[in-house]
Amino acid sequence: GAGVSQTPSNKVTEKGKYVELRCDPISGHTALYWYRQSLGQGPEFLIYFQGTGAADDSGLPNDRFFAVRPEGSVSTLKIQRTERGDSAVYLCASSLIADTGELFFGEGSRLTVL
Amino acid sequence: KQEVTQIPAALSVPEGENLVLNCSFTDSAIYNLQWFRQDPGKGLTSLLLIQSSQREQTSGRLNASLDKSSGRSTLYIAASQPGDSATYLCAVGLITQGGSEKLVFGKGTKLTVNP
Repeated sequence: GAGVSQTPSNKVTEKGKYVELRCDPISGHTALYWYRQSLGQGPEFLIYFQGTGAADDSGLPNDRFFAVRPEGSVSTLKIQRTERGDSAVYLCASSLIADTGELFFGEGSRLTVL
Repeated sequence: KQEVTQIPAALSVPEGENLVLNCSFTDSAIYNLQWFRQDPGKGLTSLLLIQSSQREQTSGRLNASLDKSSGRSTLYIAASQPGDSATYLCAVGLITQGGSEKLVFGKGTKLTVNP
């Protein structure tokens, strides 16, 4: 596609529920990143994929968070037993090759946990 | 731990004014620095990317400089327009110990250009 696509754009859920957020990167981009942006803050790194494998998941806050990229393109961020503190905008970015450095971001999925 | 600071947090200027946004970082071991624009409720749009070996990059009315040794970058916007109103985010690119890459962001500067 022309840009990074994220769905849903908005998700409201209740505390304790399971949530999946999807990212469709720019076609041909091998590197994919998830970031989380809380209100009034800059984005914070969650996880980085190079191809199908998670090259760095050090930013995932705890084991309720998990992400996959089974075929090296679309990625899904999965959050179990959601908590109110998980409310944030989840941003996905991709780049053609990891070491070019220029990331292209999607518009984000805004998650609200009630 | 790398920390990125942006000053000022907010800036309001009249249309036509030239302005400078500042970004500082604590660890000079970066491989690039990127400036982004974020409109309310939207994602990030890349404005300028400066590799660690470069000193500046220009695009239209925007000019970004990088001084790795002092841990500073500036984004200069010439002849500002109301359409420039947005939050501007600075991010430094790091190579982690595991060999992967990530960006560390500042909190942004919220710019308002008044007609």
